Amino acid sequence: EAQVTQNPRYLITVTGKKLTVTCSQNMNHEYMSWYRQDPGLGLRQIYYSMNVEVTDKGDVPEGYKVSRKEKRNFPLILESPSPNQTSLYFCASGQTGRDQPQHFGDGTRLSIL
Amino acid sequence: AQSVAQPEDQVNVAEGNPLTVKCTYSVSGNPYLFWYVQYPNRGLQFLLKYITGDNLVKGSYGFEAEFNKSQTSFHLKKPSALVSDSALYFCAVREYNNDMRFGAGTRLTVKP
Repeated sequence: EAQVTQNPRYLITVTGKKLTVTCSQNMNHEYMSWYRQDPGLGLRQIYYSMNVEVTDKGDVPEGYKVSRKEKRNFPLILESPSPNQTSLYFCASGQTGRDQPQHFGDGTRLSIL
Repeated sequence: AQSVAQPEDQVNVAEGNPLTVKCTYSVSGNPYLFWYVQYPNRGLQFLLKYITGDNLVKGSYGFEAEFNKSQTSFHLKKPSALVSDSALYFCAVREYNNDMRFGAGTRLTVKP
């Protein structure tokens, strides 16, 4: 089954404790992206990647890191999480091309205390 | 930067009635517009897109959307709403550099 898998689905942690949210896709997509969803703000793009070893900042990259060492994986790293990063996070992938839709994972709900 | 706006936070319709979820866009050049739906505890699912061509595009689950260049709108429509259509709907525009910008979302509630 074609899918985007995120882990963990839920995480409660404390300020300053490094965490990684993994994202993996099995559709051989070149494009991958991370978003955060906050009430009233919709989805905002954090980082995206057009291909292996190619990453670019989205609208809200501060406080986040990403890496793309393999085509299928695109982890999101919070080196020193803060409470304002409490949010619902989505990973997405798609074929390269402006007209291509994206496929989304089921989300990771992070609570930073 | 390109953007989309969804002027309604909430839309309520009765089952069997037509529904419209509104979206307006602000872009330079030709817009690449998308609609997605989000069900509880799930990621977004692609419904339909407008790239070029016919102003009325058809998508999944009986949804369609009308592109109107003069009004800079891309409203989502369905002739007869189902209770199962209740969800959060997002309009989005794809930039030239492949950034995807989403609206704030509209919660659709279909009542039996």
